[in-house]
This record gives sequence, structure tokens and C-alpha cells, in this order.
Amino acid sequence: ETGVTQTPRHLVMGMTNKKSLKCEQHLGHNAMYWYKQSAKKPLELMFVYNFKEQTENNSVPSRFSPECPNSSHLFLHLHTLQPEDSALYLCASSHHLYEREATEAFFGQGTRLTVV
Amino acid sequence: GNSVTQMEGPVTLSEEAFLTINCTYTATGYPSLFWYVQYPGEGLQLLLKATKADDKGSNKGFEATYRKETTSFHLEKGSVQVSDSAVYFCALSDLAGNQFYFGTGTSLTVIP
Repeated sequence: ETGVTQTPRHLVMGMTNKKSLKCEQHLGHNAMYWYKQSAKKPLELMFVYNFKEQTENNSVPSRFSPECPNSSHLFLHLHTLQPEDSALYLCASSHHLYEREATEAFFGQGTRLTVV
Repeated sequence: GNSVTQMEGPVTLSEEAFLTINCTYTATGYPSLFWYVQYPGEGLQLLLKATKADDKGSNKGFEATYRKETTSFHLEKGSVQVSDSAVYFCALSDLAGNQFYFGTGTSLTVIP
């Protein structure tokens, strides 16, 4: 248990569906991250939020839409996905690196997404 | 820029063998360095970290030393167990961009 909770753990969705992934942390962190982990590929950073503001968007297609309503919650809204979007989506949080230089990222268990 | 390079896997070892997984990095400034472990079906868990040159991180028999002169942070364990089978990721944190950079991961399988 890392203190970062992701729901659902597994999700199967059709290409025309709309769904959302949820991430929650109560560690007092001010930075939250979405990563995509595909088989045989490096971990891909998708989005970074610092103090609820999006500070990084790594050329992610618009069919992925993040939302950070407060420092404890992060969502990833999904619509009209493609089969190649099937992957493990990981949420992480940390103290803002300017606050604590040696902070580490804490990861949730991930959502295994399958697009059919 | 920042990047992390770690040895390709997969690595297969017999129980009680010595483990080394190489990791080198490129960074602007003075990053903190980390090793994470990922068990099947799970997220990444912090295994150990080091925050400055010559620091040694250690946990559960694993060790890694922050070597600034060789820009390396190699992971070692003297005697691996079957339960150590997992994927290991080397990572660094970048203060300027408030990001973490991960290596590609090294899969370790330990056989009895």
C-alpha cells in the first residue's frame, strides 16, 4: 500500500465509449502524474500537475483528457480510444520537487485498460 | 537533457546468485537517483534512493551507490531469492522540470 489509490483496477471499453480513470492520494503531495506503460516499451509520462495546474503534456492525443480538481485527486477522461491505447495506466504523486529535493514518486497499482 | 539508461534484460539467475543491474544517467544539475521495483500486475514501488554523490541507498539486501564521476547507480544484491523476480527501474528526479525520468526496466527472473 503506497497511499495512492487508482480505480478501477481493470477496464474494458469499446472505441466509442467514454470512461474515466480516477487517482486519489492523501499523502499531502502537490504534484501528480499520469504514466502509460505498454508492453515492451518504456514508461511514458503523459501529464504532470503541480499545485493543480497542468505543467506538462507530452504530446498526448486529445482523446485523453486529464483533470485535477484538487491536490488529492486526478482523473483521466477517455473517449474514442484506439486498440493501441490498451496499456497499464499508472498514477503517481510526489512532493513538488522544489519543496523537497529528495522526494520520490509514489505509484498507484494502475488501471489495466483494454480497448476493444 | 535528462535520461536514464539501464541494461537490457531479461536477466535470469539461480537462487543465491549475485545480481548487478547497470544504470547510467545523464542529467543537468544534481538529481536524486532511485531504484523502483514492479511485481506482476502491480504499480512501481520504491526500492531505494540516493540524494547526493557517494550516497549509498540500501533496502532488503539491495544496494546502489551514487557515483557522480561515472554517472552511474548500479543495483546490486549479494544473494537473490525467487521472490526478487520482478522488473527493476532506475530513475532520476529533475528539479527544474519537476519530473522523474525512468529507464526502460530490467526484468529479473530467479529460478530455484
